[in-house]
Amino acid sequence: GESVGLHLPTLSVQEGDNSIINCAYSNSASDYFIWYKQESGKGPQFIIDIRSNMDKRQGQRVTVLLNKTVKHLSLQIAATQPGDSAVYFCAENLPLGAGGTSYGKLTFGQGTILTVHP
Amino acid sequence: GAVVSQHPSWVICKSGTSVKIECRSLDFQATTMFWYRQFPKQSLMLMATSNEGSKATYEQGVEKDKFLINHASLTLSTLTVTSAHPEDSSFYICSAPDGFGNSPLHFGNGTRLTVT
Repeated sequence: GESVGLHLPTLSVQEGDNSIINCAYSNSASDYFIWYKQESGKGPQFIIDIRSNMDKRQGQRVTVLLNKTVKHLSLQIAATQPGDSAVYFCAENLPLGAGGTSYGKLTFGQGTILTVHP
Repeated sequence: GAVVSQHPSWVICKSGTSVKIECRSLDFQATTMFWYRQFPKQSLMLMATSNEGSKATYEQGVEKDKFLINHASLTLSTLTVTSAHPEDSSFYICSAPDGFGNSPLHFGNGTRLTVT
């Protein structure tokens, strides 16, 4: 299943399917991007990150793709499991100042609710 | 791995009272911490940047006299919601980079504030 940017904040898939969650970020100066998973009543949990000098990064069952031309970020989850059900946020980091990158001030996307049906 | 702890995890207070929320970095030092607010079914919004040894930096529209931030040590930042009102009811979350530059930001588990 695939969500279409921030206009469809809910994604439902069957267990075992691959999921694709999309995000459009706002600032072309952002140099670092993170995907977070948030379960109900908890803080965001880091999933995977990517720097602006890369266009793809893979983790365990997850892949993040970055397209700077159109300011688009996606998270692919392979073999989605019921435990993956949560809200997923992309976040972009703006450099805090000149002389290199500092990490901190994140701007979060709207979020996508992923529901995985057994 | 790096852990950020928040306390309390939830609090209920009466309108007009003040509430303090603590954010601690458990196994690393954090010269900077960030405070976010999240309303139900919404995204996280940055409120302020907490700086150890200096004043906090507030985002536009956030009242610094209402949301007092104190970064007392390299492992502790506190957010005090003063004269709380029902509209301050929200989920408050802190984060901290672990200082090694190329590491992701670690978030606490949040504090659910309900003002009655």
